[in-house]
Amino acid sequence: SQQGEEDPQALSIQEGENATMNCSYKTSINNLQWYRQNSGRGLVHLILIRSNEREKHSGRLRVTLDTSKKSSSLLITASRAADTASYFCATGGGETSGSRLTFGEGTQLTVNP
Amino acid sequence: KAGVTQTPRYLIKTRGQQVTLSCSPISGHRSVSWYQQTPGQGLQFLFEYFSETQRNKGNFPGRFSGRQFSNSRSEMNVSTLELGDSALYLCASSVTTDTQYFGPGTRLTVL
Repeated sequence: SQQGEEDPQALSIQEGENATMNCSYKTSINNLQWYRQNSGRGLVHLILIRSNEREKHSGRLRVTLDTSKKSSSLLITASRAADTASYFCATGGGETSGSRLTFGEGTQLTVNP
Repeated sequence: KAGVTQTPRYLIKTRGQQVTLSCSPISGHRSVSWYQQTPGQGLQFLFEYFSETQRNKGNFPGRFSGRQFSNSRSEMNVSTLELGDSALYLCASSVTTDTQYFGPGTRLTVL
């Protein structure tokens, strides 16, 4: 079963614009991760934010985490056509879950040149 | 370091057959996890192996099984294939219980 929902399910923007994706989850977490998947291929790890962190940056990526609302957001700034992919949030890890990740339903991002 | 490799990349089977998929983790990674991805159910956790022992198991029928060898390579087996088993099967390896490194997947089609 999915941990939560991602919003929106699909997002279409122009190159240079910012893209924001949201993720909600149901249970308490140790950390939350974001992954990217290009066209039915393997997932690529983007960023991990721990439950005691509120915001994290990596290059053009900014992730926020609100544990009181059980939600996270991923912001991609200055989007490029190469950012076109599906983006998934995942929870799990730590002593209780081991390496088991529970994924959201994903957001399909299309960046138009 | 070489990434996670999965073989075969594509597979076509018929109902009732069995299939074995292979995964070679990143060198030094002792944890290997398997996931099934379908359009209807999304990404679902199958099982995790660590040091040749199953450490975690998802909610899949007993037709789905796996094992891990002493070199950390892992195989998963699906017996008595059903149409609904058609999916992308992803393998991931890790050092800690946090970041997972995924392979390219095996696309299984059951006819």
